[in-house]
Amino acid sequence: EPEVTQTPSHQVTQMGQEVILRCVPISNHLYFYWYRQILGQKVEFLVSFYNNEISEKSEIFDDQFSVERPDGSNFTLKIRSTKLEDSAMYFCASSERLVMETQYFGPGTRLLVL
Amino acid sequence: AQSVTQPDIHITVSEGASLELRCNYSYGATPYLFWYVQSPGQGLQLLLKYFSGDTLVQGIKGFEAEFKRSQSSFNLRKPSVHWSDAAEYFCAVGDTGNQFYFGTGTSLTVIP
Repeated sequence: EPEVTQTPSHQVTQMGQEVILRCVPISNHLYFYWYRQILGQKVEFLVSFYNNEISEKSEIFDDQFSVERPDGSNFTLKIRSTKLEDSAMYFCASSERLVMETQYFGPGTRLLVL
Repeated sequence: AQSVTQPDIHITVSEGASLELRCNYSYGATPYLFWYVQSPGQGLQLLLKYFSGDTLVQGIKGFEAEFKRSQSSFNLRKPSVHWSDAAEYFCAVGDTGNQFYFGTGTSLTVIP
């Protein structure tokens, strides 16, 4: 069964450093998403992406965040200058169509900012 | 604004006992509702979803959920829990903007 994959599974970085989280969505999916989950809190929507542009973003997704689909398979989340509060689990998801299509989630990347 | 509440942070049940995980939502229109399960080190796996039609939906692994509009609830049930069901369970509501709103999750422990 096709699945969403994410790399790395864990990342530790120093505050102020840039990090790139990578995701490979399911191959025939057209919509891609990033969510994050701070330890002990709910999963929060960050951004959705379609046709090489952001379709929706939350207030969490400020200027330090960016997303990109650099090639036909990868979908990345970049955090330009990490802060302590960026420490969280980051989930990538993809769906085949828009509007209420099931989103398939990857296993997550646990980011720790020191 | 849309929101999802899972009142139970942690539930412990005995293997073979029945299970009900609660989920309440706040949404102005007809909700699109989901239950996901997360095992340690794994991603979020879809258990079941409700878009319309029959308010009792069947999912994988023997789970079912019932949509009750009058109570704004979408509780997850399983008649007989297995040790492998121990995991974190998330209820989510989707809006027409394709954004999911998740609850804080319920951690399920199954004791022999």
